[in-house]
Amino acid sequence: QQPVQSPQAVILREGEDAVINCSSSKALYSVHWYRQKHGEAPVFLMILLKGGEQKGHEKISASFNEKKQQSSLYLTASQLSYSGTYFCGTEVQTSYDKVIFGPGTSLSVIP
Amino acid sequence: NAGVTQTPKFQVLKTGQSMTLQCAQDMNHEYMSWYRQDPGMGLRLIHYSVGAGITDQGEVPNGYNVSRSTTEDFPLRLLSAAPSQTSVYFCASSYSGQYGYTFGSGTRLTVV
Repeated sequence: QQPVQSPQAVILREGEDAVINCSSSKALYSVHWYRQKHGEAPVFLMILLKGGEQKGHEKISASFNEKKQQSSLYLTASQLSYSGTYFCGTEVQTSYDKVIFGPGTSLSVIP
Repeated sequence: NAGVTQTPKFQVLKTGQSMTLQCAQDMNHEYMSWYRQDPGMGLRLIHYSVGAGITDQGEVPNGYNVSRSTTEDFPLRLLSAAPSQTSVYFCASSYSGQYGYTFGSGTRLTVV
């Protein structure tokens, strides 16, 4: 039931763009995205509900393809502060009271 | 608002000891969850609750108990600590299933 994330890790230079993907084998009710910096708690970025939507948050946006059971997180014009581990969390339609997280994608932004 | 408060922040236990990790939130959130995070790993769901008096198992519930007698509190009990339970434990809460979760700062537990 754990979602799959790709890539596992990515290194960017400031100003470059990145895409992080999240996919599930089950029909999804929602997809959550969180960022965790080293030694800190995860911080909520956004949630996408079934209905196939796209959301934006500053230069970070996400899409949700309900039919493909996939979500992508887009980081544009990356900043040093974007470094961290990004987790997607999914709620499946048959059990949407709990959020199961993927293994995470480590993102490093270098000058 | 304090948000989600976890205590203690650090704890060392001996194998076989029991203890309770405390979690309290002051945001009137109905949904609360416990996760554990091992080094370099993702977050694994231990137990969760959708309201006072309602709890259910997550991905890795063995060795842990929970109860939810009030909306504010969701304690996690380790029945007989084992070295495999060495981890960072996060409590999280949400208004409902259509909202994101707010995480506490975590409890770093070491079992020797």
